Amino acid sequence: EVQLVESGGGLVKPGSSLKLSCVASGFTFSSYGMHWIRQAPKKGLEWIALIYYDSSNKYYADSVKGRFTISRDNSKNTLYLEMNSLRSEDTAMYYCAKDPLFDYWGQGVMVTVSS
Amino acid sequence: DIMMTQSPLSVAVTPGESASISCRSSKSLLHSNGITYLSWYLQRPEKSPQLLIYQISNLASGVSDRFSGSGSGTDFTLKISKVETEDVGIYYCVQFLEVPLTFGSGTKLEIK
Repeated sequence: EVQLVESGGGLVKPGSSLKLSCVASGFTFSSYGMHWIRQAPKKGLEWIALIYYDSSNKYYADSVKGRFTISRDNSKNTLYLEMNSLRSEDTAMYYCAKDPLFDYWGQGVMVTVSS
Repeated sequence: DIMMTQSPLSVAVTPGESASISCRSSKSLLHSNGITYLSWYLQRPEKSPQLLIYQISNLASGVSDRFSGSGSGTDFTLKISKVETEDVGIYYCVQFLEVPLTFGSGTKLEIK
């Protein structure tokens, strides 16, 4: 059974940093690209980052480019999202999702940026 | 960026009736390889989204055949036949043709 479990969320102040993790199981993690997608409270879904299976390519939404970094450790079956210079508009539920097609999603982890 | 426009914003359906949701893209989602990269997702209340349909009309594993997709190029439709209470939630289309991947704004399905 495929499972994606996010962690690392919380309440932080504007300008702070936070690192999210997503532990994968039930499939060959090292063979698949992975995504981060977020959803602000009562809002729609926003794709924010993609990393290829071998980390050879990374892509970001303009809203997070230069502040967020996606990475992975295939030896630990873990995907990461390092978030710097956090803003109030980054407040959202953050989901990791498997490529292709977002065919599996995690349960999400909440990040709240507030003073 | 490719803009995805969904309509209606919400739809209320009597159980057993059908519902249709439209999605339009600002650019053709047909790749040179012949595949059209358009998928549909359902987010039930307080749940993570789940894949329903990919490449316009291919049903994801385990998804009821009451769901069907159609369309081409820039115009796509998700049809839900014989709506059940478990179909309640927000439906999103998304394009996978190019980054940034973009979602429609969502269509909320409610039961009358």
